[in-house]
Amino acid sequence: ETGVTQTPRHLVMGMTNKKSLKCEQHLGHNAMYWYKQSAKKPLELMFVYNFKEQTENNSVPSRFSPECPNSSHLFLHLHTLQPEDSALYLCASSQDLGSGSFSDIQYFGAGTRLSVL
Amino acid sequence: AQKITQTQPGMFVQEKEAVTLDCTYDTSDQSYGLFWYKQPSSGEMIFLIYQGSYDEQNATEGRYSLNFQKARKSANLVISASQLGDSAMYFCAMREGGDQFYFGTGTSLTVIP
Repeated sequence: ETGVTQTPRHLVMGMTNKKSLKCEQHLGHNAMYWYKQSAKKPLELMFVYNFKEQTENNSVPSRFSPECPNSSHLFLHLHTLQPEDSALYLCASSQDLGSGSFSDIQYFGAGTRLSVL
Repeated sequence: AQKITQTQPGMFVQEKEAVTLDCTYDTSDQSYGLFWYKQPSSGEMIFLIYQGSYDEQNATEGRYSLNFQKARKSANLVISASQLGDSAMYFCAMREGGDQFYFGTGTSLTVIP
């Protein structure tokens, strides 16, 4: 079992649906991240939370809405998605972004494979 | 401009041989961190090795070593004694100041028995 668990592993949704992706980390980390991985493109950082506070939002469309109720859980709420949003969504966590060290390693979950029809 | 460039979309290596996966990066920061991750077909990104911009020695972790050439802005991953289980996608990544992380497009490595 990995330290970062993502559910569901696969999700198919229509453009008018509302769904949520869930991420849970069991590593005692303080920072959590959402990434989007599309074929043949670099991983795109979407959102960053450090100690439950959002610190980065990289120009992500408002149809993606993150929620971080505590340092162990991270959600990505989805609504009125587009077909181009189909991708692998990866969650990661790291010990402490604010430590001043660049060696804060991110640990990833296995991802949610999202298909938007 | 791309922050991380991996120019080898696919690589093949014979089992037990060594292989080098290329990575160049672009930054004007003096302080940064460089990472390599492995992504098997299961999807999970697995951390392999880290190099800090001020580290004078090349990082090593078991069969993985990072050939860090700061002036050239390159951070190549060397895998020694390749194993069949090394077949996967490999991603180079960089962390700059602030909470920004950049990944390359990856290199697909296939180990041939």
